[in-house]
Amino acid sequence: DADVTQTPRNRITKTGKRIMLECSQTKGHDRMYWYRQDPGLGLRLIYYSFDVKDINKGEISDGYSVSRQAQAKFSLSLESAIPNQTALYFCATSDGQSSDRATGELFFGEGSRLTVL
Amino acid sequence: GEDVEQSLFLSVREGDSSVINCTYTDSSSTYLYWYKQEPGAGLQLLTYIFSNMDMKQDQRLTVLLNKKDKHLSLRIADTQTGDSAIYFCAEIRANDYKLSFGAGTTVTVRA
Repeated sequence: DADVTQTPRNRITKTGKRIMLECSQTKGHDRMYWYRQDPGLGLRLIYYSFDVKDINKGEISDGYSVSRQAQAKFSLSLESAIPNQTALYFCATSDGQSSDRATGELFFGEGSRLTVL
Repeated sequence: GEDVEQSLFLSVREGDSSVINCTYTDSSSTYLYWYKQEPGAGLQLLTYIFSNMDMKQDQRLTVLLNKKDKHLSLRIADTQTGDSAIYFCAEIRANDYKLSFGAGTTVTVRA
C-alpha cells in the first residue's frame, strides 16, 4: 500500500461545482502539502500544514481551501471550480524532525488529475 | 517555480550520458535537490547536495554545484530507457525550509 494516498485519482467536473481532494498518509509525518502541477510550470505550492493546528497559504492559494482533520489527513477543496484549475494535484508529506528537514525530502502521493469543464 | 529555471526537454541516445542543467536564485539555499517523476506517478527524491559541496557522485548520477553562478547539474551516465522521466530541480529556502521547484526537464531516451 502507498504511504501517501490520494482520492480520487481522476475527476471530471463542471464549472461552479465544489470539489474535495483527499489525502491520507501512513508515514507518521507532521508536515503535509498540496501542490499543483501544470505543464511547463512545474510544481506550485497551494497550502501547507506543519501540524494539525497549523495551516499556511502557499504561492497560489486563491480559489482553494484546506482542512487538516488529523495528523494523517489533509484535504484540499475547490469551493467553486473554474477551468483554469484543471491540473494534476499532488499531496506530499515530510518529517518535521531535523534529519528530514535537513534533507528536505518530500514524499508524494500518485496525484489527482482534475478536469474542470 | 519561477525562482528555479531548467530547460524543458532533453533527448538522449541509450548508452550516452545525459546532462540536465538548472539555475536557482536563492544564494542562501542550503540544500539543492533532484526529483524524478515517472509517468503516472508522483515525484521521488533522486539525490541532493549540500551547499558546501561542489560535487556528489552516486553510482550513475553525478551532481555538480557552482554556487558562484547558482548553477546545478545532474549527469546520468550510461542512460537507460528506465531513465525516461521528468526531472525536477529544487532548492530549499533557508528562511522557511520550503522547497521551490523548477518546471521540470522531460528526458526521452531513444534506442
